[in-house]
Amino acid sequence: DAGITQSPRHKVTETGTPVTLRCHQTENHRYMYWYRQDPGHGLRLIHYSYGVKDTDKGEVSDGYSVSRSKTEDFLLTLESATSSQTSVYFCAISEHRVTYEQYFGPGTRLTVT
Amino acid sequence: TQLLEQSPQFLSIQEGENLTVYCNSSSVFSSLQWYRQEPGEGPVLLVTVVTGGEVKKLKRLTFQFGDARKDSSLHITAAQPGDTGLYLCAGDNYGQNFVFGPGTRLSVLP
Repeated sequence: DAGITQSPRHKVTETGTPVTLRCHQTENHRYMYWYRQDPGHGLRLIHYSYGVKDTDKGEVSDGYSVSRSKTEDFLLTLESATSSQTSVYFCAISEHRVTYEQYFGPGTRLTVT
Repeated sequence: TQLLEQSPQFLSIQEGENLTVYCNSSSVFSSLQWYRQEPGEGPVLLVTVVTGGEVKKLKRLTFQFGDARKDSSLHITAAQPGDTGLYLCAGDNYGQNFVFGPGTRLSVLP
């Protein structure tokens, strides 16, 4: 299994508070991704990174920001959490060679009350 | 926007039965991956198909990529309870974007 950890694994927070989720990899893969997974929507890309300090928006980036200061860490921040951001968040890594398989972390279940 | 549809959405079968699930799009992909996800865990890559018409086998699982690289199927022979999970297909367009289907939730009853 790819070495990917996410922290925290579970979090309950109140509307309006800032929240930061961390993804850490030990595989030295260049690409890192943040997804959210909701019933009926599958996995939707929030942001991704193609290198240190290089990030770009995904399909559902509004209300989220990211940072990548080291190859191994990719942070997802909800500046002011809303109930619509209650979801399961997955981090993934990829090393683009011929194809672009992604390897996922265990997920973080976030509940915004 | 590239979209992937999966069917059926839910499938419940008895152990030993065969099944096929489908992944369809109107868009062409450079490659397509299949993942399986179990409750409380992240998706796990099963296979990648790249060439139109390609068939790959993984034990009792057979994956096929459509000739036009717009669709794919997953066939499971003699399903077992351990096959239970959410099956996701994901299409890639040379790294420009990566899109997941909504998944097929499979339940194999003993």
